[in-house]
Amino acid sequence: QKEVEQDPGPLSVPEGAIVSLNCTYSNSAFQYFMWYRQYSRKGPELLMYTYSSGNKEDGRFTAQVDKSSKYISLFIRDSQPSDSATYLCAMSSDYKLSFGAGTTVTVRA
Amino acid sequence: GAGVSQSPSNKVTEKGKDVELRCDPISGHTALYWYRQSLGQGLEFLIYFQGNSAPDKSGLPSDRFSAERTGGSVSTLTIQRTQQEDSAVYLCASSELQGAMTEAFFGQGTRLTVV
Repeated sequence: QKEVEQDPGPLSVPEGAIVSLNCTYSNSAFQYFMWYRQYSRKGPELLMYTYSSGNKEDGRFTAQVDKSSKYISLFIRDSQPSDSATYLCAMSSDYKLSFGAGTTVTVRA
Repeated sequence: GAGVSQSPSNKVTEKGKDVELRCDPISGHTALYWYRQSLGQGLEFLIYFQGNSAPDKSGLPSDRFSAERTGGSVSTLTIQRTQQEDSAVYLCASSELQGAMTEAFFGQGTRLTVV
């Protein structure tokens, strides 16, 4: 079993919809929980990170962590075509990141 | 430079040949990381450098893989006797502080295809 499992997708949503992305993990030592966005043929770009259970908002993005259930989510409100990308969850306890496989999201205009 | 730079962007090589992948980290970043992203897979940790030393090489898949870093800056990942399963995108990241993954930046990657 992988340390980090991510809902595989792909997801296709109309512009303006809410996008919900989810990951589960098995390693209780993880302290940082991150979401990356990766456009085609580009490197991953850090969107948000958090280190505690609860919600963290940044504009249209909300990251949610539930350590008791070992479950994290990313919500994108009012999705835009420019949000079309692959989203990767990642977790770390030190210098090593453990990634989910990624979910490809397409926002249709 | 402004960001992490990797070269080449794309590399096609014949099975059995050796390849070298280069990473230029952000100036002043002491920590450097190599990851591999295979089709449909998440990123997989390969090796971590702090300065010129590699405290953790545990992710290197086999002894055909090696990496070095010189002058606390440029790093080279070498794959000897390439195999088709080595085909992947190889990503490099750097951070100013050791283990500061929330402050790490990734390069655009080198797409390696072994034919």
